[in-house]
Amino acid sequence: DADVTQTPRNRITKTGKRIMLECSQTKGHDRMYWYRQDPGLGLRLIYYSFDVKDINKGEISDGYSVSRQAQAKFSLSLESAIPNQTALYFCATSVQGFAGELFFGEGSRLTVL
Amino acid sequence: TQLLEQSPQFLSIQEGENLTVYCNSSSVFSSLQWYRQEPGEGPVLLVTVVTGGEVKKLKRLTFQFGDARKDSSLHITAAQPGDTGLYLCAGGGFQKLVFGTGTRLLVSP
Repeated sequence: DADVTQTPRNRITKTGKRIMLECSQTKGHDRMYWYRQDPGLGLRLIYYSFDVKDINKGEISDGYSVSRQAQAKFSLSLESAIPNQTALYFCATSVQGFAGELFFGEGSRLTVL
Repeated sequence: TQLLEQSPQFLSIQEGENLTVYCNSSSVFSSLQWYRQEPGEGPVLLVTVVTGGEVKKLKRLTFQFGDARKDSSLHITAAQPGDTGLYLCAGGGFQKLVFGTGTRLLVSP
């Protein structure tokens, strides 16, 4: 089983719908992240959390929200999805924050029609 | 906003050829990571370099961090089909990790 698990792996939805992407990890790391990947733009940080009570905005947080339900669980929500949120979303964990290795999930491909 | 530009964006070569991928920025980074991502999977760390001028080797892959810590390169010797994937550099700084734009490599048998 993967150490960082994302669900769903693929989702097609319509404009205006609420979507939640879930991430769970068995690595025991405190630090968790949500990234978005678009062709030619690399990975961009949406939100990050350094422990259960800590939530921080990344560079592209508008239109997104997160919840850290437990050390092992970090979910990303799109309250009202729009087509330009169509992308590949990755959850990641780390031990050392931004200086250390990131461990990524397998990604959640979201299509907003 | 710090940017990391990678070149080339796409590279299609034959097995056995050598190649170099570049990662450039106008900003200084305290560390530079290289990841490889295969289709349907998340990126996986290949190496981290932290000292200006540092060179690290991982089998047929050679990574170099520029003296001024603004740029990095990845050189692959005698590429193999298993090297196919998306290569991402990522610059580490205070409270941030900036990813490059990515280089997609295809190595044909």
